[in-house]
Amino acid sequence: KAGVTQTPRYLIKTRGQQVTLSCSPISGHRSVSWYQQTPGQGLQFLFEYFSETQRNKGNFPGRFSGRQFSNSRSEMNVSTLELGDSALYLCASTNPGQGEGYGYTFGSGTRLTVV
Amino acid sequence: KNEVEQSPQNLTAQEGEFITINCSYSVGISALHWLQQHPGGGIVSLFMLSSGKKKHGRLIATINIQEKHSSLHITASHPRDSAVYICAAHNTGNQFYFGTGTSLTVIP
Repeated sequence: KAGVTQTPRYLIKTRGQQVTLSCSPISGHRSVSWYQQTPGQGLQFLFEYFSETQRNKGNFPGRFSGRQFSNSRSEMNVSTLELGDSALYLCASTNPGQGEGYGYTFGSGTRLTVV
Repeated sequence: KNEVEQSPQNLTAQEGEFITINCSYSVGISALHWLQQHPGGGIVSLFMLSSGKKKHGRLIATINIQEKHSSLHITASHPRDSAVYICAAHNTGNQFYFGTGTSLTVIP
């Protein structure tokens, strides 16, 4: 079955612009979570969506937002981009409630560069 | 203060050696994840465990809930095991806390 698909793979934006990243989960997975990875801070949790509702949010400013559609695809948006937003953005999908066997499948990420 | 601490940060091993990476966490967890990240960024979930021990091929993960400690072992290491290994605590509030990763290089 198809994996988690993130688009685009690479993106260059100018400071002050906004950006939207997309994540298509594995078919049947209803939870999508987003992460930011930078050399300085490592991996950090952004937020998680389940059945179109944000269930959890990490410690990021309000410029970072997301949403999930009825087909479980998710988008995250970053407004008023700052240089420090340059990072690899990863999403992962899972299907909670299946017991300890449920696992997370990660996408390949979107590498965002803010100039 | 980091909720998840990993050691060592860097590890170089000869092919065939037995490798151990350690992870200590301070949050209450519903699960502990071990992730593998190769150059280029892609992350693979190796294990998710909440108790005991799991084995997949040459990889073994253990967790001690009382001591809040987990280990990832690689037996008969191979150069293709070279990657960054990340420990992640999935807490009871359904958030993830990540370790800073262990960069493993296996030399032929």
